[in-house]
Amino acid sequence: QVQLVESGGGVVQPARSLRLSCAASGFTFNKYAMHWVRQAPGKGPEWVGVVSYDGNIQYYRDSLKGRFTISRDNSKNTLYLQMNSLRGEDTAMYYCARQGETTSEYFDFWGQGSLVTVSS
Amino acid sequence: EIVMTQSPATLSVSPGERATLSCRASQNVSGDLAWYQQKPGQAPRLLIHGVSATATGIPARFSGSGSGTEFTLTISSLQSEDFATYFCQQYYYWPLTFGGGTKVEIK
Repeated sequence: QVQLVESGGGVVQPARSLRLSCAASGFTFNKYAMHWVRQAPGKGPEWVGVVSYDGNIQYYRDSLKGRFTISRDNSKNTLYLQMNSLRGEDTAMYYCARQGETTSEYFDFWGQGSLVTVSS
Repeated sequence: EIVMTQSPATLSVSPGERATLSCRASQNVSGDLAWYQQKPGQAPRLLIHGVSATATGIPARFSGSGSGTEFTLTISSLQSEDFATYFCQQYYYWPLTFGGGTKVEIK
């Protein structure tokens, strides 16, 4: 069955960096675009960005461009989110999610999430 | 950015009753609308995509309808496991955006 397992979260000081990983199994990873979605406590989800199936194309929400980078290693079936210059408002649960169809950006499977807390 | 507005914020329903949740988009999102269910401490789970296509393994009591800017998720007869928060998401425009959610609670 499809499994997505995030890791790498924790408490980090403002302006520091953190890298999240998402290990995928149960499907052909290199055939799917993959997304990161975050959710602050008590809020609705917020889309962070996407990487194409081959890793060549990335899109981000405008407010995160330049600070967050999404990449993937298809040989390791792993998705990454590099977060730099972290701020308090980046505190959230971060989910990796599989895109449901090639041209439809809904999410058919989600990981359990990795909590990132930005605090001094 | 497309703003997705869900109503009501909280819906109190008795088990066995019908629940109707609304989602409004600030612009026409055509048929690119999905619904998710989220329980406390869990990740969202896909219920519906393409406005009305039920995801694999989702019970038939969940149905979606609508077009353009107005969408509805209907749960025909609420079961105990359906008490949760529901989010809509549009994927017609970048950035992808979600609504703020409707919490369905036991009346």
